[in-house]
Amino acid sequence: RKEVEQDPGPFNVPEGATVAFNCTYSNSASQSFFWYRQDCRKEPKLLMSVYSSGNEDGRFTAQLNRASQYISLLIRDSKLSDSATYLCAVNRGDSWGKFQFGAGTQVVVTP
Amino acid sequence: DAGITQSPRHKVTETGTPVTLRCHQTENHRYMYWYRQDPGHGLRLIHYSYGVKDTDKGEVSDGYSVSRSKTEDFLLTLESATSSQTSVYFCAISEGVVTSVSTDTQYFGPGTRLTVL
Repeated sequence: RKEVEQDPGPFNVPEGATVAFNCTYSNSASQSFFWYRQDCRKEPKLLMSVYSSGNEDGRFTAQLNRASQYISLLIRDSKLSDSATYLCAVNRGDSWGKFQFGAGTQVVVTP
Repeated sequence: DAGITQSPRHKVTETGTPVTLRCHQTENHRYMYWYRQDPGHGLRLIHYSYGVKDTDKGEVSDGYSVSRSKTEDFLLTLESATSSQTSVYFCAISEGVVTSVSTDTQYFGPGTRLTVL
């Protein structure tokens, strides 16, 4: 089993709709969680950190469920520009600064 | 955007030749990382550095070596390139201040697309 797993998608979402997807992790010692956005052939860009209490940044909401060991990302009022691959990153827990990345979830927002 | 550059941005080389990729940062961050990204695998850590001359292996370090003689530069060398090392290589940095919760956040450079024929 991979340490960090994501549904690869694609999630085809009509413009204006809401989409949500998860990232599961296996290391219960993990302490830091992040969502990155990656456009085709570009570098990953930090979207948001994921805090224990959940956090929101505009149309994006991230949640952490430690008991079930997953993080989630919800995008409301989807825009065409939200089309991208979303990567989750989870720190190793046993080694500061070392992350495991998921392979990404592709989101395609359609007009 | 974090001040991270990578060079070259694209390279085509032949099997058996040595290749060196450079990552340069202007953020004075302590930690630097090299990843490779391949379809279906996501980002995999090759090597990382936690200070000048301090480096350690990641999960896919075979066939790669690194050096960090200055805070701002982290070099990745493929000692004898193979076709399996055809990939996109990303450098990342993080601030590395242990006392702060958010300082293991990683920021990525633009990537180097390497093709080994």
